Amino acid sequence: AQSVTQPDIHITVSEGASLELRCNYSYGATPYLFWYVQSPGQGLQLLLKYFSGDTLVQGIKGFEAEFKRSQSSFNLRKPSVHWSDAAEYFCAVGAIYGQNFVFGPGTRLSVLP
Amino acid sequence: NAGVTQTPKFQVLKTGQSMTLQCAQDMNHEYMSWYRQDPGMGLRLIHYSVGAGITDQGEVPNGYNVSRSTTEDFPLRLLSAAPSQTSVYFCASSRPSGGRTDTQYFGPGTRLTVL
Repeated sequence: AQSVTQPDIHITVSEGASLELRCNYSYGATPYLFWYVQSPGQGLQLLLKYFSGDTLVQGIKGFEAEFKRSQSSFNLRKPSVHWSDAAEYFCAVGAIYGQNFVFGPGTRLSVLP
Repeated sequence: NAGVTQTPKFQVLKTGQSMTLQCAQDMNHEYMSWYRQDPGMGLRLIHYSVGAGITDQGEVPNGYNVSRSTTEDFPLRLLSAAPSQTSVYFCASSRPSGGRTDTQYFGPGTRLTVL
């Protein structure tokens, strides 16, 4: 069965600093990988996804993620964080259609002015 | 195009009461699912459906029922509410892509408190 871990429960960065959120997955085949963001009191919004091809994926709001098969990782990055990026971030792996879509526990990002 | 809608936004129940959380999507997605979100536990899958008339259990199905009579609607029923069901509930929909579940689109959530 697939699983997703996000080692960092809470990260604090200063506005303008770079950001990397870690995600590791376990899946028997090439996974579909996703990053979602959830602002307080809101639903989840897709930031980016990886299905195949180029392992560096660009998303919305200036985010990117890199798929590294050898490390079973799909880390999310942003070169310069804005105060509005403070939110919770979820990594997820999509399985064969009809099976469970698994989310990681989430990483809460705080941004210092 | 409203996407995924959920009603109500907030609900307070007493232990033992029953209720139905409504979810509808207008994107003609085959796949719909219900998650609950609890602090520190991320999102956990309750039930899902790959099409009208087909439902299956997720990770935490106990105490919940679902049915899928149309492509658009996927209601979640709490049979006899318990305090442990206090949570935020999200409905999501998706379509298949290459034999996999593609991007899931989420509703705004229902915040349920059981006293």
